[in-house]
Amino acid sequence: EADIYQTPRYLVIGTGKKITLECSQTMGHDKMYWYQQDPGMELHLIHYSYGVNSTEKGDLSSESTVSRIRTEHFPLTLESARPSHTSQYLCASIEGRGTTQFFGPGTRLTVL
Amino acid sequence: SQQGEEDPQALSIQEGENATMNCSYKTSINNLQWYRQNSGRGLVHLILIRSNEREKHSGRLRVTLDTSKKSSSLLITASRAADTASYFCATEGGSYIPTFGRGTSLIVHP
Repeated sequence: EADIYQTPRYLVIGTGKKITLECSQTMGHDKMYWYQQDPGMELHLIHYSYGVNSTEKGDLSSESTVSRIRTEHFPLTLESARPSHTSQYLCASIEGRGTTQFFGPGTRLTVL
Repeated sequence: SQQGEEDPQALSIQEGENATMNCSYKTSINNLQWYRQNSGRGLVHLILIRSNEREKHSGRLRVTLDTSKKSSSLLITASRAADTASYFCATEGGSYIPTFGRGTSLIVHP
């Protein structure tokens, strides 16, 4: 099992709150990714990073931001949560020159 | 932009039967991977097939790739109830950004 962690696993919050979803990996992987996935649907890439101080937006504009100050840590922040942000958020990483992604268990977010 | 499309969207079979899922994609790829996702969890990598390969095996899994038709298939032989999950294909074209399809939901009845 991959050593990639996400916290919290479940979060229920009110509209307008600022939240940060945590993702950490202990494998030393350079590349990290955030996906948004609604139940039974495909994964949408929202942010990715090729290494420290590198961040890029993906296909889905989710009004979120990320930072990559340390190799092992890739937090996702929603400045003002809305009900449309209700979804599952998956973090993943890739080793070196490989292309196989290791996924965390996900954070299921509900915004009331 | 969505690259892979899995077919069927849902598949229901009895334990012991084989399950076949297909994936079609639009642009050229370096490799194609299959992942499995149990309900409410992250994805787990199953198998990778490179663009110059036609078939790969891993245990009860068999993956084929036809680059001329831009399609791949995943066969699970002698299915078990524990195989119940969603299965996704992901294509990668050299940018280290895999693109996922909508997935096939497989239910294996005991």
